[in-house]
Amino acid sequence: DTAVSQTPKYLVTQMGNDKSIKCEQNLGHDTMYWYKQDSKKFLKIMFSYNNKELIINETVPNRFSPKSPDKAHLNLHINSLELGDSAVYFCASSRSGQSNQPQHFGDGTRLSIL
Amino acid sequence: AQSVSQHNHHVILSEAASLELGCNYSYGGTVNLFWYVQYPGQHLQLLLKYFSGDPLVKGIKGFEAEFIKSKFSFNLRKPSVQWSDTAEYFCAVINTGRRALTFGSGTRLQVQP
Repeated sequence: DTAVSQTPKYLVTQMGNDKSIKCEQNLGHDTMYWYKQDSKKFLKIMFSYNNKELIINETVPNRFSPKSPDKAHLNLHINSLELGDSAVYFCASSRSGQSNQPQHFGDGTRLSIL
Repeated sequence: AQSVSQHNHHVILSEAASLELGCNYSYGGTVNLFWYVQYPGQHLQLLLKYFSGDPLVKGIKGFEAEFIKSKFSFNLRKPSVQWSDTAEYFCAVINTGRRALTFGSGTRLQVQP
């Protein structure tokens, strides 16, 4: 069973479009995250939710809007896609959001903007 | 703000060679430290973690890391690498006041048979 699953795995779209990435975890965790990995493999936190409440919102354009319908799901909607949004987006989850709880990552969604 | 530095961007080794990847972090308070591995086309997997206690921690697949507080370092080691260790390795830290990982820039390890 996949612990943290993201869909789609690949997303190719044109500039200006709006797209969503979905993430679900079946680990019973209550904290979920979105990370962005750029072309140089650098990983950076974007958002984090704990029990459906936004707790981390890094300096991310407001075209990116996370939504957590319940603590097992954290979706990412992106409006007006730009070339610079091309990256791999990883969802992760952990228990309680405490610093000593390891985060479990999904397989990533590779977003390519044409 | 905390930051993580990984000095080796690309390491090429032959099988059976010993490995040490450097990781330094900047943060004066209590931190928890992790090493993650990303095999080609896959997600990040936890190799090992340090929270407290013995500064020498052992992880999966024969990896270990040593936390040296005075040097703000958490270097990853393996006595004898295998071709299957070819991957990207990320050091990450999280402090007790923050709830997200800060990653280093990663080290690409290439093991030649």
